Amino acid sequence: EIVLTQSPGTLSLSPGERATLSCRASQSITNNYLAWYQHKPGQAPRLLIDDASNRATGIPDRFSGSGSGTDFTLTISRLDPEDSAVYYCQQCAHSPLTFGQGTKVEIK
Amino acid sequence: EVQLVESGGGLVQPGGSLRLACEASGFSLRNYYMNWVRQAPGKGLQWVAIIRGDGSEKLYVDSVKGRFTISRDNARNSLYLQMDSLRVEDTAVYFCAGGLGWTSEHWGQGTLVTVSP
Repeated sequence: EIVLTQSPGTLSLSPGERATLSCRASQSITNNYLAWYQHKPGQAPRLLIDDASNRATGIPDRFSGSGSGTDFTLTISRLDPEDSAVYYCQQCAHSPLTFGQGTKVEIK
Repeated sequence: EVQLVESGGGLVQPGGSLRLACEASGFSLRNYYMNWVRQAPGKGLQWVAIIRGDGSEKLYVDSVKGRFTISRDNARNSLYLQMDSLRVEDTAVYFCAGGLGWTSEHWGQGTLVTVSP
């Protein structure tokens, strides 16, 4: 099983600042099949990024993904109050499909 | 509008069974891999199971193998999760989610399953 470790656990930033979220895998993820999701309480999770760096349909270009192998990053270039949420990475290459434990982004 | 709507959650005793359903609208499930993902109270997301578009391949997380069965009816544009021998630790909101590959592009709002004596 591939274990995904996200850091930091919580990120508290002001509107307009840059957020950098990390996701580290216990082994290399084939073809960089790594996705990022945004999840707000009481809502359906939303796909932001797939294949490590491809923005999903309708996602603002403030969101970008990068990385390969075992180290991946989600960057939110200019935080908006609506970005307050928990962000999860998921590896979609090997069964079981595992999620990281999440990073909570708080907007001051 | 693309929509996934889960149903079938509720309160059940340990050892009991429930069948969850997920109905799609606005698109055809036929070509999609479909998943069940759950979130226990205060916890993160956990992948539970996935089924190929034609139903020929099914994979499960170890903790539900032998107890849960994922299935689909493409004619009804629906996904199911039969949950037997339920345990307290299965208590969670269960989401259905699907994509053209193993990444989930579309998600439902979830249905709550509570396993309690």
